Amino acid sequence: GQNIDQPTEMTATEGAIVQINCTYQTSGFNGLFWYQQHAGEAPTFLSYNVLDGLEEKGRFSSFLSRSKGYSYLLLKELQMKDSASYLCAVRDQTGGFKTIFGAGTRLFVKA
Amino acid sequence: DSGVTQTPKHLITATGQRVTLRCSPRSGDLSVYWYQQSLDQGLQFLIQYYNGEERAKGNILERFSAQQFPDLHSELNLSSLELGDSALYFCASSGGRSSGNTIYFGEGSWLTVV
Repeated sequence: GQNIDQPTEMTATEGAIVQINCTYQTSGFNGLFWYQQHAGEAPTFLSYNVLDGLEEKGRFSSFLSRSKGYSYLLLKELQMKDSASYLCAVRDQTGGFKTIFGAGTRLFVKA
Repeated sequence: DSGVTQTPKHLITATGQRVTLRCSPRSGDLSVYWYQQSLDQGLQFLIQYYNGEERAKGNILERFSAQQFPDLHSELNLSSLELGDSALYFCASSGGRSSGNTIYFGEGSWLTVV
């Protein structure tokens, strides 16, 4: 099966940097996604890592270490609109390429 | 706009009833996924179809069923509804040339069971 852990909530200040961690256990790892979800809205795609290392995309970066079963999402120059839930999701090729989501980290950005 | 279309956007129905949620995937995407999200809960994977065939199954109740049609649209059927089935149901798609492995979500169907 799959197990994905990420902190439930985090708070950060506008303009700061925040790192949201995700650890996972899966038998058939085939990639890791980060999504942003505002309350009551659809998750929107942020990043996809399949190889180890850092992927940078504007203010957002995502890191993956497959040997450690670990990823993080780094958000720089935080803005109030970044207040949302951030979902870590793992693509597992066991039994048909399921993509399983963690419970999400609710980020509060304060002024 | 993700390109994934779901209908209806909102639905209120009584316990014991049956409803059908409909999804049109992004153009070119062959995979369709259904997820359930209850209030303040994470996304629960229900089921995945690829080009008309069931590909993977998650925590989908026996009262729920789904199918993907030849034109690749999908329907999720929920029967003998219970209060606890009230949730936001998301459809998502992937697998096309532009999507690759990335899953794109529709806006969701809000189901309220009263």
